[in-house]
Amino acid sequence: IAGITQAPTSQILAAGRRMTLRCTQDMRHNAMYWYRQDLGLGLRLIHYSNTAGTTGKGEVPDGYSVSRANTDDFPLTLASAVPSQTSVYFCASRRSENTGELFFGEGSRLTVL
Amino acid sequence: QKEVEQDPGPLSVPEGAIVSLNCTYSNSAFQYFMWYRQYSRKGPELLMYTYSSGNKEDGRFTAQVDKSSKYISLFIRDSQPSDSATYLCAMSAGGTSYGKLTFGQGTILTVHP
Repeated sequence: IAGITQAPTSQILAAGRRMTLRCTQDMRHNAMYWYRQDLGLGLRLIHYSNTAGTTGKGEVPDGYSVSRANTDDFPLTLASAVPSQTSVYFCASRRSENTGELFFGEGSRLTVL
Repeated sequence: QKEVEQDPGPLSVPEGAIVSLNCTYSNSAFQYFMWYRQYSRKGPELLMYTYSSGNKEDGRFTAQVDKSSKYISLFIRDSQPSDSATYLCAMSAGGTSYGKLTFGQGTILTVHP
């Protein structure tokens, strides 16, 4: 089934540890995004990539990094996790060049203690 | 003040009721307006997508955009228990910002039989 796969589904992490959230899509979409969802704040954009080899910063990029080595994969790395990064993280891809329609993965629930 | 404001609810209605969900925004650059539905512990899924002012209908769902008032609405007719979810409004400026969505906080809707 075509779509976005995120891993892990859920993770508890000690503060200071490094963590990479994985995201893979099989729809050959060029643009991909990482959002975090927090209660009362909705979804906020962390980083994005319009095409393989390029990345950009969103609204809340501090403490996160991304890479886009190919079209399908867009991992999000927390270099040194802090409790304020406890959140649900969603990876998304954009269906076409002329639309804002995003397809979302099922999310990765991260708890930083 | 947030760029997009959405009443978080929760909203509880009986089956068959008409539901009205609303968002206001402050950024006049927003051109594309979306409603996403999110079931518990799932990723958001696109429900309605509209460009600029006007109405769009899809089955039991109607999306309205009033750019002069910076106000968007989603109406659900003949609501069903399966409509119980969190509804998120989202908007973008288009162009290079197509996928950089700004979300409202989400409204939790429960439709009881």
